[in-house]
Amino acid sequence: DARVTQTPRHKVTEMGQEVTMRCQPILGHNTVFWYRQTMMQGLELLAYFRNRAPLDDSGMPKDRFSAEMPDATLATLKIQPSEPRDSAVYFCASGPTPRGGSNQPQHFGDGTRLSIL
Amino acid sequence: AQKVTQAQTEISVVEKEDVTLDCVYETRDTTYYLFWYKQPPSGELVFLIRRNSFDEQNEISGRYSWNFQKSTSSFNFTITASQVVDSAVYFCALSEVERDDKIIFGKGTRLHILP
Repeated sequence: DARVTQTPRHKVTEMGQEVTMRCQPILGHNTVFWYRQTMMQGLELLAYFRNRAPLDDSGMPKDRFSAEMPDATLATLKIQPSEPRDSAVYFCASGPTPRGGSNQPQHFGDGTRLSIL
Repeated sequence: AQKVTQAQTEISVVEKEDVTLDCVYETRDTTYYLFWYKQPPSGELVFLIRRNSFDEQNEISGRYSWNFQKSTSSFNFTITASQVVDSAVYFCALSEVERDDKIIFGKGTRLHILP
């Protein structure tokens, strides 16, 4: 089965350090989403891309977060500098063009569990 | 504005009982999708079902069934003859075609199936 692959699975680092999380979407999926899950806020949408172009990143703190898709097989989410409040599980999801007639849903990676000390 | 409400934050039932997880949504759009995802203790998000707004037929998949009612803006999920392996957090979610299909999640319902 095709899967969304996220790396690393776990990351522990000290505040102030740069953190980069990576996502390999399912081949052929042209929409990529980044979500953050915390106990307090639940699952929040941070940003998403279609055909590698950012469509919406309004859910993302702009001063320290950045999301990019250098190519169709890689999406990155960076935090610089990281803060303890960034500790969360970050999920990447990919999906086909929604109006393309496919009934496929978004598929999620297993997440990156981030701890900022 | 999009909104998904899962009023039940936590439910406990004894194994083999039936349990229904409630989901109420708000949208101004006529074309939208509703989802259920399962998040077991291992943490991954597992897709269960997607339903579009034009298909109000109920769906059954094994012990799982879904009741979509546009009149009450609800998309409830029932597990029949629950099993311990069903213990997880279940998320209901909504996406609107006119909003680039971004998925908005409810807060989730934590389900405990007691042996």
